[in-house]
Amino acid sequence: QKEVEQDPGPLSVPEGAIVSLNCTYSNSAFQYFMWYRQYSRKGPELLMYTYSSGNKEDGRFTAQVDKSSKYISLFIRDSQPSDSATYLCAMTGTGGFKTIFGAGTRLFVKA
Amino acid sequence: SQTIHQWPATLVQPVGSPLSLECTVEGTSNPNLYWYRQAAGRGLQLLFYSVGIGQISSEVPQNLSASRPQDRQFILSSKKLLLSDSGFYLCAWRSWGNYEQYFGPGTRLTVT
Repeated sequence: QKEVEQDPGPLSVPEGAIVSLNCTYSNSAFQYFMWYRQYSRKGPELLMYTYSSGNKEDGRFTAQVDKSSKYISLFIRDSQPSDSATYLCAMTGTGGFKTIFGAGTRLFVKA
Repeated sequence: SQTIHQWPATLVQPVGSPLSLECTVEGTSNPNLYWYRQAAGRGLQLLFYSVGIGQISSEVPQNLSASRPQDRQFILSSKKLLLSDSGFYLCAWRSWGNYEQYFGPGTRLTVT
């Protein structure tokens, strides 16, 4: 079993839709959770960063962590064609130097 | 603010040739530094990480090596490239006490 599971998609939605991206993980020691956006042929860009359980909102983006279920989500409201990219979840534990990344979900937002 | 640079942006090299990719970080001191490889349509594979000058931890064997000659400089090398070394190489940094990593623009390597 992989430490982090993420559906690779592709996920195709119409402009304006609410998008839900998810990851599950197996290591209960993970405490720090991140979402990255990666455009084609570019480096990943940090979108959201949360610690432990709960929600965090930043503009159209909401990150949610449910540690009891070992499940994290990223919601994108009012999705735009410019949101078309690959979204990677990532997580690490306290004191750890290594971050574990999901394989990424490819998202297409159609105008 | 912090900035991370990688070069070259793209590289085409024949099998058996050497490799040197460079990464530098500006605007921070004593960062943790990372090298990742991303194959087409695949996730990120951690290759090396460094917590200080001269300190390198390797996650993969084979023909790649890394060095950190200065605090904010991280170099990925190979003496003889293989076809399987083709991919997108990403350098990343994070500061001590924080957990989020920041990535550079990447180097696309094609071994022919």
